[in-house]
Amino acid sequence: DTGVSQDPRHKITKRGQNVTFRCDPISEHNRLYWYRQTLGQGPEFLTYFQNEAQLEKSRLLSDRFSAERPKGSFSTLEIQRTEQGDSAMYLCASSRPGRGGNQETQYFGPGTRLLVL
Amino acid sequence: AQSVTQLDSQVPVFEEAPVELRCNYSSSVSVYLFWYVQYPNQGLQLLLKYLSGSTLVKGINGFEAEFNKSQTSFHLRKPSVHISDTAEYFCALRNNAGNMLTFGGGTRLMVKP
Repeated sequence: DTGVSQDPRHKITKRGQNVTFRCDPISEHNRLYWYRQTLGQGPEFLTYFQNEAQLEKSRLLSDRFSAERPKGSFSTLEIQRTEQGDSAMYLCASSRPGRGGNQETQYFGPGTRLLVL
Repeated sequence: AQSVTQLDSQVPVFEEAPVELRCNYSSSVSVYLFWYVQYPNQGLQLLLKYLSGSTLVKGINGFEAEFNKSQTSFHLRKPSVHISDTAEYFCALRNNAGNMLTFGGGTRLMVKP
């Protein structure tokens, strides 16, 4: 169990550019989540995958955001035409169903910190 | 709708003193509750969780929390803090209706020598 990993850890980009982040979940975890955390705030849910299916998306996930998990393993989060308001820490978490299907625990990666200039 | 409120944004405390970080929640259905800790520039590490059973749960690093359904609270406690406990602490909730976590705004614990 090597934990959730995310790449890159830091990204600086100019407004209008596209960026892509990668998340590798704990092996055998079939659920994968993306959260966004702005400075001084708690994380906010963005989207959730079960295997390769994207089952839930937050209203925070605008049309400029897209997430994929093509083979049910790693996931990518792309932000197109970045804006300064996109500056945040992007956190990935993974889990597997617990007893009764809902008693699961999400384990978080180290995050990708994005700065849009 | 569900929500989590952490009443204290910052809690200063001297080393070896006890500490309580408060968390209150709102949900119309049964909940599962979690405390995570975040050290600077790092992700979140699970401290402890309440899924079912005993309302007093013990976690890592000497922390414990008590689920109080009547007061809709899940306060985090430690009898004696260390300098290394200085970090941001987040209370989170998940309910039977979904899989996402809803987080509070966080409490910054500052342990002073």
